[in-house]
Parts: sequence; C-alpha cells; structure tokens
Amino acid sequence: RKEVEQDPGPFNVPEGATVAFNCTYSNSASQSFFWYRQDCRKEPKLLMSVYSSGNEDGRFTAQLNRASQYISLLIRDSKLSDSATYLCVVRESSGDKLTFGTGTRLAVRP
Amino acid sequence: DTAVSQTPKYLVTQMGNDKSIKCEQNLGHDTMYWYKQDSKKFLKIMFSYNNKELIINETVPNRFSPKSPDKAHLNLHINSLELGDSAVYFCASSGLAGTDTQYFGPGTRLTVL
Repeated sequence: RKEVEQDPGPFNVPEGATVAFNCTYSNSASQSFFWYRQDCRKEPKLLMSVYSSGNEDGRFTAQLNRASQYISLLIRDSKLSDSATYLCVVRESSGDKLTFGTGTRLAVRP
Repeated sequence: DTAVSQTPKYLVTQMGNDKSIKCEQNLGHDTMYWYKQDSKKFLKIMFSYNNKELIINETVPNRFSPKSPDKAHLNLHINSLELGDSAVYFCASSGLAGTDTQYFGPGTRLTVL
C-alpha cells in the first residue's frame, strides 16, 4: 500500500464548479498534513496546511480526519487558473521527511 | 528575487557521464533537500541537510553524493549516470527542520541518453 494515496484524476470540470479531492495516508503516527499545488513543468508550492479542526482559505477548504487517516480539499467556484496538479503531503512524526502523494490533476474548462 | 535557485535548468547527457546540479537559497534557511520527480510525477525525497549536516538519506544509490559547502548551498553530484536517473530534480529549503514550510526551486530536468 502506498504511504499517501490519491485519485490521479484527471478531474475535468467547468468554471464555477465545486470539486473535491481525497487523500488517505497509511502512517497513523503522521504529524502534519498539507496540500501543495504543482503547475505543469513547475515546482510544487504550498497551497495550505491541514488541521484537525478544518481550515478555509478563500475558495479552498481542507479537512483532516485522523481516525480515518483521510484528508480532503474542496475547491469552490473553480477558476481556469486552478488547473494544476494537487499534491497531498504528509510529514512523519519524527524528523523532517515529507511524503508526497502522486497528485490529482485538475483541468478547469471555460 | 529568487528564493531557491538551481542550475542548470536542463541537463542532457550520455550514460556513464558524471554531472552536478547546484542549488542555492537566499532565505537564510537552515535545512535543504533534494527531491526526485520521475516520469510518473511521483515526488520522493532523496536527501536532507541541516546546517551542512546530512540528516535524511533515503536509500539512494551511492552514485548520488550531496555536498553542502555552507548552509545556503546544497549541490548534487551524480556519477556514472544511468537511463533511470532521467527525472526532474528539485531542491528545497525550510527554516526549521520538522516544522516550517518547504520552498522548492524551479527544478532541473535531467535526460540521460
């Protein structure tokens, strides 16, 4: 089983749609959780951290369920500029190692 | 101002050659990393250095040797390049190991022929 699993997509949605990505992780001792965004042929960039209480940043909402070892990202009112690959990322309880999922590709069409 | 920079951006070379990729960060961070992203887009950590000291080495072949001359630089030297080494290599840095956000460089696309 992969340490961090994501549906690879692609998710192809019209502008204005709401889209949700899911991610599961295998290490129950994992400590920190993130969503990174990677545009085509570019480097990954932090989109948002994910907290147990859930957190929102504009049109983006992230949720963490530690009991189910499940992380989600909801994007409301999709824009063309949201088209990218979204990487679910987990930091282990010890050390500084980040483990990346393989990413979910989003394509927003006009 | 570029925060994490890498050179070269593209590298095309023959099997068996030795090559180096350089990374520099001007963020004043203590920790630097090398990641490999393969053709399936899977991003995996290779090495991590904190204040010039190796702290993560993820079972990478010993043909790969990182070198940190100071905490702002982490270079990656690869000996005897193989076809399977073709990938995008990303350097990253963070302020405080284990807690801070990691900032990635633009990547070096290595193609081994």
